[in-house]
Amino acid sequence: KAGVTQTPRYLIKTRGQQVTLSCSPISGHRSVSWYQQTPGQGLQFLFEYFSETQRNKGNFPGRFSGRQFSNSRSEMNVSTLELGDSALYLCASSRTEPSTDTQYFGPGTRLTVL
Amino acid sequence: GDSVTQMEGPVTLSEEAFLTINCTYTATGYPSLFWYVQYPGEGLQLLLKATKADDKGSNKGFEATYRKETTSFHLEKGSVQVSDSAVYFCALSDPGGAGNMLTFGGGTRLMVKP
Repeated sequence: KAGVTQTPRYLIKTRGQQVTLSCSPISGHRSVSWYQQTPGQGLQFLFEYFSETQRNKGNFPGRFSGRQFSNSRSEMNVSTLELGDSALYLCASSRTEPSTDTQYFGPGTRLTVL
Repeated sequence: GDSVTQMEGPVTLSEEAFLTINCTYTATGYPSLFWYVQYPGEGLQLLLKATKADDKGSNKGFEATYRKETTSFHLEKGSVQVSDSAVYFCALSDPGGAGNMLTFGGGTRLMVKP
């Protein structure tokens, strides 16, 4: 069974631009979560989607948004990029409830903002 | 709110040494507990998990026991190998708290020397 895939793997953007990251969950998984990983803040939860609905959201500004499609694929968007948005963005999928089901992580998208 | 505290690294060991990485947590409900491992340039891989008190998770020679009385989930391995060098994250998922998200500790880098 194929794992979680994320595209692109690497991105370089400049301040003020916007970016869209994509995540394809494991087949049959309906929950997709996004996390930001930085050396200073560690791993922080961004949001979680289930059946195209956002069920939970972390403490990030409104510049960070996401959506989920009917095939469970998810995208996250960051508008008006800031230098501090440079991070590894990880996507994770689970069958139903991340609180009880195991979450499987993708390899991440490394975003660099110049 | 929920939180996870794990020992700071790096932890440097010689091959075949015994490993302990401490992890304690604070949660409002009855969380599930996890250890994830991250190898250089990769995403997170689930190492083991435990879903209720006194459960022991184990995988690849690693093990951890869910201790509710001490709110701990320490990771242990009897004999480490060079290939175990990675960053280890303790995490919890709390159905009674924020629900559909993982709360991570800061990570502990393990370096194993031949």
